Amino acid sequence: QSVLTQPPSVSGAPGQRVTISCTGSRSNIGAGYDVHWYQQLPGTAPKLLIHGNSNRPSGVPDRFSGSKSGTSASLAITGLQAEDEADYYCQSNDSSLRNWVFGGGTKLTVL
Amino acid sequence: QVQLVQSGAEVKKPGASVKVSCKASGYPFSDYYVHWVRQAPGQGLEWMGWIHPNSGGTKYAQKFQGRVTMTRDTSISTAYMEVSGLRSDDTAVYYCARQKSGTFSLDYWGQGTLVTVSS
Repeated sequence: QSVLTQPPSVSGAPGQRVTISCTGSRSNIGAGYDVHWYQQLPGTAPKLLIHGNSNRPSGVPDRFSGSKSGTSASLAITGLQAEDEADYYCQSNDSSLRNWVFGGGTKLTVL
Repeated sequence: QVQLVQSGAEVKKPGASVKVSCKASGYPFSDYYVHWVRQAPGQGLEWMGWIHPNSGGTKYAQKFQGRVTMTRDTSISTAYMEVSGLRSDDTAVYYCARQKSGTFSLDYWGQGTLVTVSS
């Protein structure tokens, strides 16, 4: 059971918009810790997609955006492309556990 | 360019130890925390801990305290992660990753090292 809760799967057709939620608690996201997002393509290492809730590293398309509110965060992907099919993970810090924590991951399927 | 290159796959018996290396290049190794994250087959990411190469200071996830040791050799820009008392549920891909300056995120990752624990 992950400290951060993500839906196991989401799907969308090419060109559509999808969102992936990441729900935490008062000891992590709600405590003010930033949320970061990673994309993991099949058989590869994770790649930083969003840091500090809503910041894109250079090279990440602006189709990807992040937001945070209260004890939750969201990743939005617009203009879905086949190459976006991957697993997506949120990550934050937890003051109770004194750990870095990941969500359980969400598998995005492009229909 | 920043690169983290890990050692090759390992097969170990239950109860044994394994040591994975992570060689950094393209940036000042001593200035950035190195984290270790593992991923069991078909499962999600699990944070294990970090080491700061400059001081050698470490922090381990509670789950791994007493069984994981992170070290570094700054002369060759390499971080190491050793797991002792291996069990079958330690079978996973182990990743090293660099902490992004000014944030609590991981901006560069190694390619991963598969550790298989099997009798």
